[in-house]
Amino acid sequence: GEDVEQSLFLSVREGDSSVINCTYTDSSSTYLYWYKQEPGAGLQLLTYIFSNMDMKQDQRLTVLLNKKDKHLSLRIADTQTGDSAIYFCAESQAAGNKLTFGGGTRVLVKP
Amino acid sequence: GAVVSQHPSWVICKSGTSVKIECRSLDFQATTMFWYRQFPKQSLMLMATSNEGSKATYEQGVEKDKFLINHASLTLSTLTVTSAHPEDSSFYICSARTRTGMTEAFFGQGTRLTVV
Repeated sequence: GEDVEQSLFLSVREGDSSVINCTYTDSSSTYLYWYKQEPGAGLQLLTYIFSNMDMKQDQRLTVLLNKKDKHLSLRIADTQTGDSAIYFCAESQAAGNKLTFGGGTRVLVKP
Repeated sequence: GAVVSQHPSWVICKSGTSVKIECRSLDFQATTMFWYRQFPKQSLMLMATSNEGSKATYEQGVEKDKFLINHASLTLSTLTVTSAHPEDSSFYICSARTRTGMTEAFFGQGTRLTVV
């Protein structure tokens, strides 16, 4: 079955860049997502990338995909205290299908 | 983006009672809704997929008689936790999507259930 892995924790200073890494095992993953979850809240979609893309940039967010290694990363430029949250990567095999989530990476931004 | 609303945001109930959680798509018609469960400091696990007007498809290990899902209209799906026990205490999140081929599903804000 599908498996998605993430590092558990990341600490970063305000203004620095954050890089959150994710690996997945299912080679048929078509869509790869990054979600943000703040305490007690639901999930906010940050960005997604199709499996035939290598990179996608959206303002402060840059997603890199290495399909050969099944490795996905999210870079947050100029990290702010409001970026402190849990970040989940997820994959699906088709548009709008069920998502398989990683365990989440807790990002703590220090002033 | 589209808005998905869950109600209630939190609920406390006694063991043995049933609790209903609603998931509404406010500005689009949701042909499919997904119900996830999240234990503290853990990831989201899919419980079931419901399509409007048909029976829900449950993931392996999820008791369909305990977690009743109804998706009677294109804007509302409900999850009823029957005969709740303390181990059912969790964060339940729904997501909804519209027509087939839509890239993303939109998430509700979640419902925290505590069974005492």
